[in-house]
Amino acid sequence: QQPVQSPQAVILREGEDAVINCSSSKALYSVHWYRQKHGEAPVFLMILLKGGEQKGHEKISASFNEKKQQSSLYLTASQLSYSGTYFCGTANSGYSTLTFGKGTMLLVSP
Amino acid sequence: GAVVSQHPSRVICKSGTSVKIECRSLDFQATTMFWYRQFPKQSLMLMATSNEGSKATYEQGVEKDKFLINHASLTLSTLTVTSAHPEDSSFYICSARKKSSGGVPPTNYEQYFGPGTRLTVT
Repeated sequence: QQPVQSPQAVILREGEDAVINCSSSKALYSVHWYRQKHGEAPVFLMILLKGGEQKGHEKISASFNEKKQQSSLYLTASQLSYSGTYFCGTANSGYSTLTFGKGTMLLVSP
Repeated sequence: GAVVSQHPSRVICKSGTSVKIECRSLDFQATTMFWYRQFPKQSLMLMATSNEGSKATYEQGVEKDKFLINHASLTLSTLTVTSAHPEDSSFYICSARKKSSGGVPPTNYEQYFGPGTRLTVT
């Protein structure tokens, strides 16, 4: 079942913050976050495993709420390079394949 | 690092011909590789899972006779689009899962994507 991402699109000015959500109707084992720029392949950002952990990657961090079956990606003090489409991929077990959400388009303007 | 390459990056072919796309993990061994298809401004749709030394597992609705997958080694998987038609035009992306050690489930695996192949069938 495809996870639901929100919002569909975000427009920010450089330096502003954003939150992207990813929720599933099924129990999650892990959540993977990727960023894809136009015409390029998705770039791995981070993986979160069940247990409610948080992770950080430069000024990008994420949380995973196992009970709520959702994950949130936090982008603070956004930079122009953050522009792109963010996808979450969810897995229901350690062996299962990833199912990707429809993506959230982020545009950071000067 | 974890680098995945794809070749070619772009291909234009005539309707009815076959096209082979290669996916290689350059600095790690990948027992499992995945093939995705992505239409403009849409999500990544999994086509098949490719396991080294065994038959690929195709997702529902994907024709296995049309999209031939071969995973001949721990670093190479190929996707052949046979008798291509214009509706097969798309962005094809492979990804590779890092091999885990031991017999336990891959609890912390990461999936790395190749740069993608833009296929245009005329």
